[in-house]
Amino acid sequence: DVKVTQSSRYLVKRTGEKVFLECVQDMDHENMFWYRQDPGLGLRLIYFSYDVKMKEKGDIPEGYSVSREKKERFSLILESASTNQTSMYLCASTMGTSQRAFFGQGTRLTVV
Amino acid sequence: AQSVTQLDSHVSVSEGTPVLLRCNYSSSYSPSLFWYVQHPNKGLQLLLKYTSAATLVKGINGFEAEFKKSETSFHLTKPSAHMSDAAEYFCVVSSAASGTYKYIFGTGTRLKVLA
Repeated sequence: DVKVTQSSRYLVKRTGEKVFLECVQDMDHENMFWYRQDPGLGLRLIYFSYDVKMKEKGDIPEGYSVSREKKERFSLILESASTNQTSMYLCASTMGTSQRAFFGQGTRLTVV
Repeated sequence: AQSVTQLDSHVSVSEGTPVLLRCNYSSSYSPSLFWYVQHPNKGLQLLLKYTSAATLVKGINGFEAEFKKSETSFHLTKPSAHMSDAAEYFCVVSSAASGTYKYIFGTGTRLKVLA
């Protein structure tokens, strides 16, 4: 079974904290993505990576950074968490542009 | 640049009547297009995908979509709605832009099925 695993289902963090969200896939996929999902806004792309140590900004990268030191792991970092970053965060991976994406179970982050 | 627009945020249909969920896309390269469904508090499930083969694509649960390049559309249809189809539906465009692969979601259409 293919698998994308996110490190936490639920997180509560304080404003100003540095937050790490981890995502691991076991399918040897080249491409990995981080999205946030908010009601009425769909899934918005934060960052994506198409190879180890390679990353590209998505549509809403402000306040976030990413790290991809190994092919299977893609980390999302909130440098200084703010309440407007309270959201559901989804990680995904694909082999290529024409291939379906596989999703993690999501991390519901609440910043208080 | 690539983008996708789902033209309706909410659609209501009666059980047994046809479903039409509209999606328009923009892409500088030959796109791949997908429809995903998300039931309440569940993960995303792939319904179908278009990847430059047949323009009429059949998916799971009786859904299908037609790729129309001239209209830059990829609308999702189903002949007869079932109560279990009530969910949120997302259209996705993916293409190789400058050698990298973005996977862009629309804002979603919430389908309500009335008894």
